[in-house]
Amino acid sequence: GQNIDQPTEMTATEGAIVQINCTYQTSGFNGLFWYQQHAGEAPTFLSYNVLDGLEEKGRFSSFLSRSKGYSYLLLKELQMKDSASYLCAVTDSNYQLIWGAGTKLIIKP
Amino acid sequence: ETGVTQTPRHLVMGMTNKKSLKCEQHLGHNAMYWYKQSAKKPLELMFVYNFKEQTENNSVPSRFSPECPNSSHLFLHLHTLQPEDSALYLCASSPSGTGDNGGELFFGEGSRLTVL
Repeated sequence: GQNIDQPTEMTATEGAIVQINCTYQTSGFNGLFWYQQHAGEAPTFLSYNVLDGLEEKGRFSSFLSRSKGYSYLLLKELQMKDSASYLCAVTDSNYQLIWGAGTKLIIKP
Repeated sequence: ETGVTQTPRHLVMGMTNKKSLKCEQHLGHNAMYWYKQSAKKPLELMFVYNFKEQTENNSVPSRFSPECPNSSHLFLHLHTLQPEDSALYLCASSPSGTGDNGGELFFGEGSRLTVL
């Protein structure tokens, strides 16, 4: 079966760096997404990786290793507003999106 | 005005009620989706409409009935639901159904459904 694994919850300190990991086993691969979802709000797109390597976008970076079935989202200079759930999703060979259960990130002052 | 709007935001219904969820997108997209989000579970794709045609129905019980009258509007009709159907129902849109623009989805804020 197809599966996406990510930690259920993480805690980090304001101003610090946190890395949220995502591993996947899917039938084929056509890209990996990260979405951010604040409590009671819509998920919003953060990043898309289809080739190996690091994509940087301001304080957020996303890394992909297709050979390892692995990605991470790196958040730098954490702010309180970064408290949210982070959803990892992979597009398989049929362009179906397979979702992880999300990682709830708690930022403490 | 937000890109994808869902109403109502909250709904409480009994098991014998009939209600509908509404989704409207103002992004000019051609594909629309219904997802179910339950606590600590992955998003579950329910239905996909591409150019108003239903292209996906992921073994969803018949008590959920979608309707897509045009590419901007999507409904989810609810009838004789069960308590386990309580969840957040998210609507999303994308430029097209597969592979376009990296497949980025634009979500509404969801309708929180409670079935008593």
